[in-house]
Amino acid sequence: NAGVTQTPKFQVLKTGQSMTLQCAQDMNHNSMYWYRQDPGMGLRLIYYSASEGTTDKGEVPNGYNVSRLNKREFSLRLESAAPSQTSVYFCASRPRGDQHQTFGSGTRLTVV
Amino acid sequence: SQQGEEDPQALSIQEGENATMNCSYKTSINNLQWYRQNSGRGLVHLILIRSNEREKHSGRLRVTLDTSKKSSSLLITASRAADTASYFCATSPRGNTDKLIFGTGTRLQVFP
Repeated sequence: NAGVTQTPKFQVLKTGQSMTLQCAQDMNHNSMYWYRQDPGMGLRLIYYSASEGTTDKGEVPNGYNVSRLNKREFSLRLESAAPSQTSVYFCASRPRGDQHQTFGSGTRLTVV
Repeated sequence: SQQGEEDPQALSIQEGENATMNCSYKTSINNLQWYRQNSGRGLVHLILIRSNEREKHSGRLRVTLDTSKKSSSLLITASRAADTASYFCATSPRGNTDKLIFGTGTRLQVFP
């Protein structure tokens, strides 16, 4: 099993460009999450999806949109990238009835 | 910010010594979890302690929880060079088990 797969692993964008970060899990988990990690800030929740068909804002949703395409896939879109969105982005998933999350290996995004 | 605080921010010890990390949080919780992150990688779940538990063990890990002080500690006994990583606490807020709020992390360096 691959677990949680994120693509791409690295990306450089120019200010104003758009892109979509992809996340897929093969563990039949119900909940999926997007976080960003900045130096000294730990992980901050951007958006999450408690189940297929639902999405909710986290702590830092501004400038992002998400789509829960199906049970396996949860994508994060930056419509107009800004340098403040330079960060490492992590996707995670969690099965129903269990409290701990399984993380992907991250996408390192630089906006210049 | 909802983030918790971890103390110390960085810790350097010799192999064989014990490492203690502390976490303080702000809200009532369902559970508290500890995760480990190797440099440049995703987070890996280590241990979960529920709000009605005071202490839990897993191998060389010992976690304590004091809900009256809104604090937790992680003890790694007989540390190894391979324990070098960042360690994060994460709390599941009471009333919303879908979310985790992460602390800012402790960077542990274990010297051979």
